[in-house]
Amino acid sequence: QVQLVESGGGVVQPGKSLRLSCAASGFSFSSYVLHWVRQAPGKGLEWVALISSDDGANRYYADSVKGRFTISRDTSENTLYLQMNSLRTEDTAVYYCARDVLRYLEWNGMDVWGQGTTVTVS
Amino acid sequence: QSALTQPASVSGSPGQSITIPCTGGSSDVGSYNLVSWYQQHPGKAPKLMIYEGSKRPSGVSNRFSGSRSGNTASLTISGLQAEDEADYYCFSYAGDRAFFGGGTKLTVL
Repeated sequence: QVQLVESGGGVVQPGKSLRLSCAASGFSFSSYVLHWVRQAPGKGLEWVALISSDDGANRYYADSVKGRFTISRDTSENTLYLQMNSLRTEDTAVYYCARDVLRYLEWNGMDVWGQGTTVTVS
Repeated sequence: QSALTQPASVSGSPGQSITIPCTGGSSDVGSYNLVSWYQQHPGKAPKLMIYEGSKRPSGVSNRFSGSRSGNTASLTISGLQAEDEADYYCFSYAGDRAFFGGGTKLTVL
């Protein structure tokens, strides 16, 4: 069963750090591009970051998180990460990890989503 | 600030068709056929409905279709059903980043 499961959310003070994890199973982890997407309470979806397949050489970020957040992947652990530093109250959201729909290709659409993990900065 | 504009709400009666537009610009929707659409029910994760502008993933009803004209992408839902009531978001590649639209709440009357 193809699955993504996020963890690591919680309550954190402004200026502090947090690392989110996303454990993948049921598919060839290294072959797929992965994303982080967030949703603030009562608001719409916001794309956060993308990492390319295989060695994750290509990484892209939304302007709102550039320089503060780092996306990474560990193929040996089949796990995606989001390191979040210098957190702000406006980073409060449910954070989803998602898989791009086509192997190796970027930006085509996200077909597998986790259940989300909640980050509260307060 | 979203670079993609969607109407806040649309509505239709069961059996009818509705179209949700997603207006971008020449640096996103107008330049790349990399628009996808998502359905989100309250408290649930988003679900991919259309990718690469007009392709349906396996398992998505053929009542859902996507198209693009110039800087505007559109999602059309035909034969509206009660379970289609949800929020819908467009998403587009825009160079070295991407954006979601602000979202459209679909009400089935």
